[in-house]
Amino acid sequence: ETGVTQSPTHLIKTRGQQVTLRCSSQSGHNTVSWYQQALGQGPQFIFQYYREEENGRGNFPPRFSGLQFPNYSSELNVNALELDDSALYLCASSSAGGANEQFFGPGTRLTVL
Amino acid sequence: AQRVTQPEKLLSVFKGAPVELKCNYSYSGSPELFWYVQYSRQRLQLLLRHISRESIKGFTADLNKGETSFHLKKPFAQEEDSAMYYCALRGKDTGRRALTFGSGTRLQVQP
Repeated sequence: ETGVTQSPTHLIKTRGQQVTLRCSSQSGHNTVSWYQQALGQGPQFIFQYYREEENGRGNFPPRFSGLQFPNYSSELNVNALELDDSALYLCASSSAGGANEQFFGPGTRLTVL
Repeated sequence: AQRVTQPEKLLSVFKGAPVELKCNYSYSGSPELFWYVQYSRQRLQLLLRHISRESIKGFTADLNKGETSFHLKKPFAQEEDSAMYYCALRGKDTGRRALTFGSGTRLQVQP
């Protein structure tokens, strides 16, 4: 059984650019949640995708958007990057629309200069 | 709105000492509470959830709805317990399955 994987591991962008982060869910899971973890903070919920539809969103602006594909992998897109977007971005997959345990990936470290 | 508070950023104890990591929450409905742990250079993983009422690696946590707390306890700390611990809440009676995390407590167990 393959766990949750994320790519890339690290990324450096400049302010105003756009970025796409990728997540492959664990086998058998149909739900992906994305979290932002700033330095010294706990993860903060961005949004969740269930069967290719957004299934809940946290307090993030529309420039944070996502996709889920038929194989349940997912992308997180951030437009017009700001310095405060520098963080660790975590993806978590689960089954049953997120009602079951969420399994986390290793994260993508995004630095915005 | 739901909120999770972990008042201690760092808790340092000696091996064999009791440990209590504090977690308080704010939620108007019926919550599910969790403890997640992140060991050095590893990913975030579930340690235990209140509905399971089980002991994992010697850790237990009891949901106290009167005090809105879900403190994590272990009677005798081990060096391998050193890690970052996050308390998290999920609203059971809403459509959302998102987790709301506290800011975390770093546990250091000294030899």
